[in-house]
Amino acid sequence: ETGVTQSPTHLIKTRGQQVTLRCSSQSGHNTVSWYQQALGQGPQFIFQYYREEENGRGNFPPRFSGLQFPNYSSELNVNALELDDSALYLCASSLTGGYSYEQYFGPGTRLTVT
Amino acid sequence: QKEVEQDPGPLSVPEGAIVSLNCTYSNSAFQYFMWYRQYSRKGPELLMYTYSSGNKEDGRFTAQVDKSSKYISLFIRDSQPSDSATYLCAMSANTGNQFYFGTGTSLTVIP
Repeated sequence: ETGVTQSPTHLIKTRGQQVTLRCSSQSGHNTVSWYQQALGQGPQFIFQYYREEENGRGNFPPRFSGLQFPNYSSELNVNALELDDSALYLCASSLTGGYSYEQYFGPGTRLTVT
Repeated sequence: QKEVEQDPGPLSVPEGAIVSLNCTYSNSAFQYFMWYRQYSRKGPELLMYTYSSGNKEDGRFTAQVDKSSKYISLFIRDSQPSDSATYLCAMSANTGNQFYFGTGTSLTVIP
């Protein structure tokens, strides 16, 4: 069974730039959720993708957008980066339609905005 | 008021102690509850998953949910230095898609 993978591991960007983060879901899972984790805080829900469509969104502005592909992998795009976007970005995969909603996380992408 | 409240600690215990970690929440619609362990600069690792009220045991870990009090707990028996990490609680309502996390409790188990 393949776990959740994310790329890149680390990223440094300048304020105003755009960034794309990638996630491959765990084998057998069809749903990907993205979270932002600031230092010393718990993860905050950005959005979830199921069947290539957004299936729930947290309190994040439209400059945070995503995609899910037919193989269930996903991308998180952030435009017009701000200093406060510096955080660990986590994706979690799960199985919608199964008997539980357990979410399994990847190792994260650490984004630094300067 | 935050959806989920969790004491950030830090909590320091001697090896072999029983550890109790807790979260309270305000949304009575929450039905799915999870506990994660997160080592420094790593992704969270799922420890326990429970649905609705009751207890669930897995090895040295026991999760309890009291929906009437809006209170969940994770107990760690015979704690080990390798248990030193941040423990996060997470919960979700009916749809199970958006999980709300606590801020995490930092635990150190001293050999």
